[in-house]
Amino acid sequence: DTEVTQTPKHLVMGMTNKKSLKCEQHMGHRAMYWYKQKAKKPPELMFVYSYEKLSINESVPSRFSPECPNSSLLNLHLHALQPEDSALYLCASSHLLAGAAGELFFGEGSRLTVL
Amino acid sequence: GENVEQHPSTLSVQEGDSAVIKCTYSDSASNYFPWYKQELGKRPQLIIDIRSNVGEKKDQRIAVTLNKTAKHFSLHITETQPEDSAVYFCAAGGGNKLVFGAGTILRVKS
Repeated sequence: DTEVTQTPKHLVMGMTNKKSLKCEQHMGHRAMYWYKQKAKKPPELMFVYSYEKLSINESVPSRFSPECPNSSLLNLHLHALQPEDSALYLCASSHLLAGAAGELFFGEGSRLTVL
Repeated sequence: GENVEQHPSTLSVQEGDSAVIKCTYSDSASNYFPWYKQELGKRPQLIIDIRSNVGEKKDQRIAVTLNKTAKHFSLHITETQPEDSAVYFCAAGGGNKLVFGAGTILRVKS
């Protein structure tokens, strides 16, 4: 299985809602990532988990809360979001190669609309 | 932190011609330079990558060159085909952090 699976594919939420995005991979990758991508822009790194521990937080607002329950799962909890948070949220995973970066395998993304 | 600049932002070529996309990076500690292709509505997918101990890498019609001294790397696509039309992103980084360039929209006209 060489897939990264993200659910839901589409999500519409109000500014007072609480929702979660989910990501799963079964490639044995020990690094998992959340990226945010706006239309016609590159992916922007949000969080990195290495061996299920948060290793990078790119100064993301606390209304985004990541969680890595085990080596195959990655969640992104959303609360009190703003309309400008509407974007495609991409999950990715990779091997950890003695500290070096490896190929990122991206999921199809969750397209989030905040009303 | 790392900063990656990518040029051109759009590129139109005739089918069969070559396409070249260039990127520069700022952090001399970066050691990994992948290129991703993203078709409309799809996920980014790796097409080729290069590490800092290699100057050039080729895979069929695609090649990447790296000049560490000048801190720039380039993607070369030969014999372009309509299915090569997509957005191409370069990236640079090390450890688990990759910074992406702004992207190049490649249009191959048949």
